[in-house]
Amino acid sequence: KQEVTQIPAALSVPEGENLVLNCSFTDSAIYNLQWFRQDPGKGLTSLLLIQSSQREQTSGRLNASLDKSSGRSTLYIAASQPGDSATYLCAVKKAAGNKLTFGGGTRVLVKP
Amino acid sequence: GAGVSQSPRYKVAKRGQDVALRCDPISGHVSLFWYQQALGQGPEFLTYFQNEAQLDKSGLPSDRFFAERPEGSVSTLKIQRTQQEDSAVYLCASSPGTSGGVGRTDTQYFGPGTRLTVL
Repeated sequence: KQEVTQIPAALSVPEGENLVLNCSFTDSAIYNLQWFRQDPGKGLTSLLLIQSSQREQTSGRLNASLDKSSGRSTLYIAASQPGDSATYLCAVKKAAGNKLTFGGGTRVLVKP
Repeated sequence: GAGVSQSPRYKVAKRGQDVALRCDPISGHVSLFWYQQALGQGPEFLTYFQNEAQLDKSGLPSDRFFAERPEGSVSTLKIQRTQQEDSAVYLCASSPGTSGGVGRTDTQYFGPGTRLTVL
């Protein structure tokens, strides 16, 4: 059974610092990996999707890498801003199915 | 365009009551998913529809949980005889493609969720 772990569970940084969020998964046979952002009381917003054949994806200040063989992905957020404060979730999709298996999330606070 | 919508946004039920949660997916999306998110945890898969067919219901925690999508569009998640452990946020997501889709057709778009509190 696929298990997804996110460390740390919570992170607090001053504005301007770079953020590094880690995600690990136990079964490397994945179809893709997706990073989401969740604001309190809101749904999930997709940030980046990495196909299993890709090594990384970039969007603005966000960069996500994928090392499928070691079961790890990292989300980098450059020059953090208070508006980046949210919970970040990673999720993997198994090759043969459609459901997403989520990690527990990392709660990020960027202090002005 | 309009995103995924869910109603009600908040629901308070007394233990033992039945509840029905509605999801309106993005128009034309083939795939629809339900997830349950307990406080402080990541979402967990409940069930999956491709059009009106329920292809995977392996995540439904008990036979008190029932989901349907009769016309391949709107979906309803029903919980019978609610228990306190059912308290959670119920998220619905839709996706344009089907199993094995690639690229953007594989992205799931989430609604805001329904927060269910069982007293």
